[in-house]
Amino acid sequence: DAGVIQSPRHEVTEMGQEVTLRCKPISGHNSLFWYRQTMMRGLELLIYFNNNVPIDDSGMPEDRFSAKMPNASFSTLKIQPSEPRDSAVYFCASSLTIYEQYFGPGTRLTVT
Amino acid sequence: AQSVTQLGSHVSVSEGALVLLRCNYSSSVPPYLFWYVQYPNQGLQLLLKYTTGATLVKGINGFEAEFKKSETSFHLTKPSAHMSDAAEYFCAVSVRSNYQLIWGAGTKLIIKP
Repeated sequence: DAGVIQSPRHEVTEMGQEVTLRCKPISGHNSLFWYRQTMMRGLELLIYFNNNVPIDDSGMPEDRFSAKMPNASFSTLKIQPSEPRDSAVYFCASSLTIYEQYFGPGTRLTVT
Repeated sequence: AQSVTQLGSHVSVSEGALVLLRCNYSSSVPPYLFWYVQYPNQGLQLLLKYTTGATLVKGINGFEAEFKKSETSFHLTKPSAHMSDAAEYFCAVSVRSNYQLIWGAGTKLIIKP
């Protein structure tokens, strides 16, 4: 299996622009997680989907952030408009059981 | 509510020395416990997990951890550190009925030659 695939791996954008991060989970996994990692705040769960349905989005920072999972093989995290404080590494992870989450390589976002 | 505390944001050991990374948790129900490792510029990967049964669990790369209920601890150890062990290590806990993980702040392991 190819593992969790994220694109792009790096994104540099200017403040105010829209940013879309993409994730393809491992085939057959029914849960998907979006995380954000920064030096200051560590690893934060943004949103969690189960069977394509958002279960917990309490970690989404504000209305500028939105996430969708239109089908079992694709999810997006969108930031509009982006701000410099959104600069971070964003990880997508998927799981089939409660025993393990499989992480993608991450997208390093820089907002100037 | 569950929480995880990792003692020490940075731990430095000499190559060949014992590695001990500390993790304490709080949980109102029997937890599942995990250690993940993150190498530079990579995502996290599972090192080992405790669910039920034997309290001493072995993971990849020679690491092991022991679940001690009385101490609410799940410390990670390795008898002899290798340069390739340099990474950040995260302890996590989950409620059995929930897919979500509660993460510790991470401990960066530094290996001195």
